Amino acid sequence: KAGVTQTPRYLIKTRGQQVTLSCSPISGHRSVSWYQQTPGQGLQFLFEYFSETQRNKGNFPGRFSGRQFSNSRSEMNVSTLELGDSALYLCASSPDRADTQYFGPGTRLTVL
Amino acid sequence: ELKVEQNPLFLSMQEEKNYTIYCNYSTTSDRLYWYRQDPGKSLESLFVLLSNGAVKQEGRLMASLDTKARLSTLHITAAVHDLSATYFCAVDMRGAQKLVFGQGTRLTINP
Repeated sequence: KAGVTQTPRYLIKTRGQQVTLSCSPISGHRSVSWYQQTPGQGLQFLFEYFSETQRNKGNFPGRFSGRQFSNSRSEMNVSTLELGDSALYLCASSPDRADTQYFGPGTRLTVL
Repeated sequence: ELKVEQNPLFLSMQEEKNYTIYCNYSTTSDRLYWYRQDPGKSLESLFVLLSNGAVKQEGRLMASLDTKARLSTLHITAAVHDLSATYFCAVDMRGAQKLVFGQGTRLTINP
């Protein structure tokens, strides 16, 4: 089975721009979660989607948003980028709640 | 608010030695996970621990869970260089798929 895929793998943006990251879960997995990893804050939960509905949201500003499509693929969007948004963004999928989450390779976002 | 703390944060050890990484969490949890991350790579699932007294082993790694003490340990036996990585524990409350991670333990195994 193919693993979780994320595109793009690397991205460079400037402050004020917006960015969209994409995640394709493992086939059959309906839950997709997003995490931000930075050296200072570590791994932090952004949000989780299941069947196109956001079920959980972390403590991030409204500039961070996401959505899930009917095929379980998910996108996250960050608007009005700030320097502090530079991070590795990881997507994880699982069949449903209370299942192990499997992580994708991540998208490394650099904001200049 | 759920907090997860690991110690030590950095661990440098010799091959063939044994050591333990500790993971404390602040509130009752349904499940505890251990992940491994190699530099520049994503997270690899190692273990999921579901109940008090649970023990899982894979090769030179063994994880255990004490829910009463809110403590999980990852024990490394006879370490080899290939185990050098950062290890994270993570707690998921009520199966919400909202993992709260520890800070990570950067393990370096020297020949």
